[in-house]
Amino acid sequence: GENVEQHPSTLSVQEGDSAVIKCTYSDSASNYFPWYKQELGKGPQLIIDIRSNVGEKKDQRIAVTLNKTAKHFSLHITETQPEDSAVYFCAPSGYSTLTFGKGTMLLVSP
Amino acid sequence: DAGVIQSPRHEVTEMGQEVTLRCKPISGHNSLFWYRQTMMRGLELLIYFNNNVPIDDSGMPEDRFSAKMPNASFSTLKIQPSEPRDSAVYFCASSFGGGAGDTQYFGPGTRLTVL
Repeated sequence: GENVEQHPSTLSVQEGDSAVIKCTYSDSASNYFPWYKQELGKGPQLIIDIRSNVGEKKDQRIAVTLNKTAKHFSLHITETQPEDSAVYFCAPSGYSTLTFGKGTMLLVSP
Repeated sequence: DAGVIQSPRHEVTEMGQEVTLRCKPISGHNSLFWYRQTMMRGLELLIYFNNNVPIDDSGMPEDRFSAKMPNASFSTLKIQPSEPRDSAVYFCASSFGGGAGDTQYFGPGTRLTVL
């Protein structure tokens, strides 16, 4: 099965700073790489995803980069805001199901 | 759209009791997933249905857990008998397609506490 690791497990930044979360995976067959955001008391919500034929994707303040050779992909958040505070999960997949990382708690201080 | 609907939102029960969690997927979605979230194990997939048929139940922890999807708009996850170690947040998610790359939409979850 897929082994997924996320780093760091917690990340504290000041408002306006950038944040980067890295996800490594083991299954070379993985071809879909999403990031989910989970706010307190809610279910995870997809915020951005990328497929294996693309190296980078950007959506306003968030971006995802993929290094398929090294089997890792990263979430980049620029100009962080307090409402970005949440737990972020990567969930690489090569099939119908997602394998979630353990999550990264991001805290953005005003 | 109302999104994925789960009930109850909170459930407190005693060890040995039967627990039934309910899920209504987004209308038109043909895949449904049940997950369990704990601090120790994170988010784990329990079972996955496609067109109401169970496709992958390898994540179901043991025979005490069972899941059904009698029609496209309803699914249940049952635990009988429940144990304290079943305490967790259970999420239901649905997607259109069910393949890798089809966005999964999560419900708000059911927080289960087994005393």
